[in-house]
Order: sequence, then C-alpha cells, then structure tokens
Amino acid sequence: DTAVSQTPKYLVTQMGNDKSIKCEQNLGHDTMYWYKQDSKKFLKIMFSYNNKELIINETVPNRFSPKSPDKAHLNLHINSLELGDSAVYFCASSKSRGIGTDTQYFGPGTRLTVL
Amino acid sequence: GNSVTQMEGPVTLSEEAFLTINCTYTATGYPSLFWYVQYPGEGLQLLLKATKADDKGSNKGFEATYRKETTSFHLEKGSVQVSDSAVYFCALNDLTGGGNKLTFGTGTQLKVEL
Repeated sequence: DTAVSQTPKYLVTQMGNDKSIKCEQNLGHDTMYWYKQDSKKFLKIMFSYNNKELIINETVPNRFSPKSPDKAHLNLHINSLELGDSAVYFCASSKSRGIGTDTQYFGPGTRLTVL
Repeated sequence: GNSVTQMEGPVTLSEEAFLTINCTYTATGYPSLFWYVQYPGEGLQLLLKATKADDKGSNKGFEATYRKETTSFHLEKGSVQVSDSAVYFCALNDLTGGGNKLTFGTGTQLKVEL
C-alpha cells in the first residue's frame, strides 16, 4: 500500500565509494523528484523527472546521476562519495510537472552517512 | 528567486496552547502554498495547502490562509496536543524553469509538553 517507497532506509559507507538509492511510486504519477535534507533539516530539490525525462537539475555535482527506467521508478546513483554527501535523501512524486496545485508525495527518506 | 521564510524554532508549548508558526514568501507569479509536517524519523506529509489568494487550507485542526497582500501563509492551531510535536515546513510551488519544484522554508520544530 506504500505510495512512495525508498530503499535502503539507512546507508552507511566509506568516503570514495559508489552507492545507489532506489525509489518507486505506485500512484500512477508522471513526475518524480529527489530532495536532499541536510543536518539542519533544510530541504532542497536536486532533480526532477517527468515521464523518464530530466526536467530539473539544480546545480548538483555530476557525481550524482539520477536514472528513471520508467515513470514509476527514479534511482539516484552517487559516485565517489564525500563526507558532505551525508544527509537524508527524499524521493517524491506528483501527478504532473506543470500544475502548481499538485501535491508532492514524499517517501520515508534514506539516511546516508559517509564515514 | 523565490524564497520562503519561517520563524525560527524550536517552539515549545504546553498542551492545549494556541499555536502560530509564521511563514512569509517571495515569489514571482502566483504560487501555491503548502504546509508539510515531518514527525520524528519519518518523511514529509502534506498537512494543508492553498492554491490562490484568500484560500484557507485546513486539516487536523490546523489552518492557514493565503494572504497575497502580506505574502504570508501563517499556520495556526487552536489547541495543540503532544502528538503534534514535529517539524513543520512551509513551502511554495515554483513553476519557473519548466519544472514543478517545492521551495521550502527552514522548518520550525514544535515541541508540545504536558
């Protein structure tokens, strides 16, 4: 029944490693997002995809590469992890890309800790 | 660019007290406005939203009115409960750049005590 799910919930890894976070939504939405929440709880958008097409890329280092194999899935791959990448990463989805009234539905988050 | 400013927390209240969390915004155009809540250890849930001026969003006893003249969307609740303890985020929907993204305030932590 989970609308937006993410795996894993926790991820602890060493600096320099490469890791992936997966997101799936079963709401039938066209648009998916990745947000980053830092240690002070500040949330900022990273990427957005609409029907597998990248539509928002908010000056994120190119070590971060999103991939959307279909409109229900949006994965985030991070190369050469750095200490500053430690954060909680939230996936979200909304019905469409261009209607400002749409609600975004968030997943439970993935807490990434880079040691 | 667009931005959202929230009152700094933490806010500590006794149960049944009145709650106000201030939120003001700067935006071009006419954004939709949202309040999201994050309970400890969980993701964000939509609490309420308003999509045009003078709209009032309400849910679970919380209310907020979209005030275009003061560019504000303050969150209120008449009588808070311990279970309302959470972080509250004000956000606006920014359609510039061809996408649909939420711009968040910094969040306000609310702690309700018995």
